[in-house]
Amino acid sequence: DAKTTQPNSMESNEEEPVHLPCNHSTISGTDYIHWYRQLPSQGPEYVIHGLTSNVNNRMASLAIAEDRKSSTLILHRATLRDAAVYYCILRAYHGGATNKLIFGTGTLLAVQP
Amino acid sequence: GAGVSQSPSNKVTEKGKDVELRCDPISGHTALYWYRQRLGQGLEFLIYFQGNSAPDKSGLPSDRFSAERTGESVSTLTIQRTQQEDSAVYLCASSSGHWGYNEQFFGPGTRLTVL
Repeated sequence: DAKTTQPNSMESNEEEPVHLPCNHSTISGTDYIHWYRQLPSQGPEYVIHGLTSNVNNRMASLAIAEDRKSSTLILHRATLRDAAVYYCILRAYHGGATNKLIFGTGTLLAVQP
Repeated sequence: GAGVSQSPSNKVTEKGKDVELRCDPISGHTALYWYRQRLGQGLEFLIYFQGNSAPDKSGLPSDRFSAERTGESVSTLTIQRTQQEDSAVYLCASSSGHWGYNEQFFGPGTRLTVL
C-alpha cells in the first residue's frame, strides 16, 4: 500500500486558515486521496476525498498537486472544534481488495483561541 | 438519519474472560469494518465484511479474535480469553461499498479494559 507522510503536529489560531500538508510520492494512478479527522474521544469522521482535481465541500477544501505526489487539506477558518488528529489516507479505486483504511499517525492540530 | 452504533460503550473485564462487542451499521451499507485503537496510537484494521462474500480476516491479531455478521446487518466481534494487551477502543465502520470513493462512517467505539 502506498504510504503518506504528514507532520506530527501543527498549531493554528482561531478564525485563521489552516493548511495541512500530506506527501504521497508513491501514489498510483487509481488511488483516491482521503482525509479523515478524529476529535478527542470520538471515532474518525470523513472530511473530504479527491482523485485529481481540487475539491470543496462544507467542511474543507482539498488541493491536489498536479503530479499527485502531495496534497493539502485546507480549513478556511479554524474553530476550536477543529482541534483533532487529521489523517491523510490513500485508497485504491478497485473493489477487488478489502480497501480498508490504513491509518498513519496523522497530524495533531491545535487551535488557539 | 441514524449513524453507526456500537454497544456497550464501555466494557471492563477480567483477564481470561470472553467478551462480545456489537456493531449496528447504517441501514443499507454492504461493507462493514472493525478497527482497533490502542491508547495514543492510530487505528489498526481487524476484519472486513462485504455482502455475502467471505470476510477478510487478515488483520485479526490472534485466533482469540473472531467476528460474525448476519447478512448486511449487525456484526459482533468476540475476543476469547482476553489479555491485558487487548485493552483498546474497538471501532466499527460501515460504507455503501468498498470502492476508492466510498467514505466510511464510524461508530463511537467500545472502550475495552482488561484488568
